[in-house]
Amino acid sequence: EVQLVESGGGLVQPGRSLRLSCAASGFTFDDYAMHWVRQAPGKGLEWVSGISWNSGSIGYADSVKGRFTISRDNAKNSLYLQMNSLRAEDTALYYCAKDRGIAAADTFDYWGQGTLVTVSS
Amino acid sequence: DIQMTQSPSTLSASVGDRVTITCRASQSISSWLAWYQQKPGKAPKLLIYKASSLESGVPSRFSGSGSGTEFTLTISSLQPDDFATYYCQQYNSYSLTFGGGTKVEIK
Repeated sequence: EVQLVESGGGLVQPGRSLRLSCAASGFTFDDYAMHWVRQAPGKGLEWVSGISWNSGSIGYADSVKGRFTISRDNAKNSLYLQMNSLRAEDTALYYCAKDRGIAAADTFDYWGQGTLVTVSS
Repeated sequence: DIQMTQSPSTLSASVGDRVTITCRASQSISSWLAWYQQKPGKAPKLLIYKASSLESGVPSRFSGSGSGTEFTLTISSLQPDDFATYYCQQYNSYSLTFGGGTKVEIK
């Protein structure tokens, strides 16, 4: 059974940093691209970032480019999102999602339950 | 970035109704479109990929169609479990983008 478990969320002040983690199990992690997708309270879905199976291809939404960094450790079956210079508008539930393919440009066939990030003073 | 526009934003329907949701892309995305269902407090669930391919385990009352810039998700006979919010997503090019969502409510 595919499982994606996010952690690392919490309350953080504007301008500070936070690192999210996603532990994956139930599939061959290094066979697939992975993504972060977020959802602000009461709002729709927003793709944040994606990374290919071998970290060779990475993409970011314009809203986070230059502030967030996605990475993965295939040996640990883990995905990460380093979030710097956080803003109030980054407040959201952050989901880890598995890509259907290897290139980080497909659909999301499995999702975690999310970790909540709240940016507030 | 490619903009995805869904309509309607809210839809009221009864059990047994045929329901259609539309998604329009700001430029052609060929058939690189997916549909997701999300229930309150839950993660989204993939229903359809490549515009019309049904994800494994998804009931056959769900179907997708379209190509280019206009797409539809159809639920042939609405069931109680189908009351939820539905999102389209394009994966033709970065940034990957979602539509704003369509909430299907009980009439």
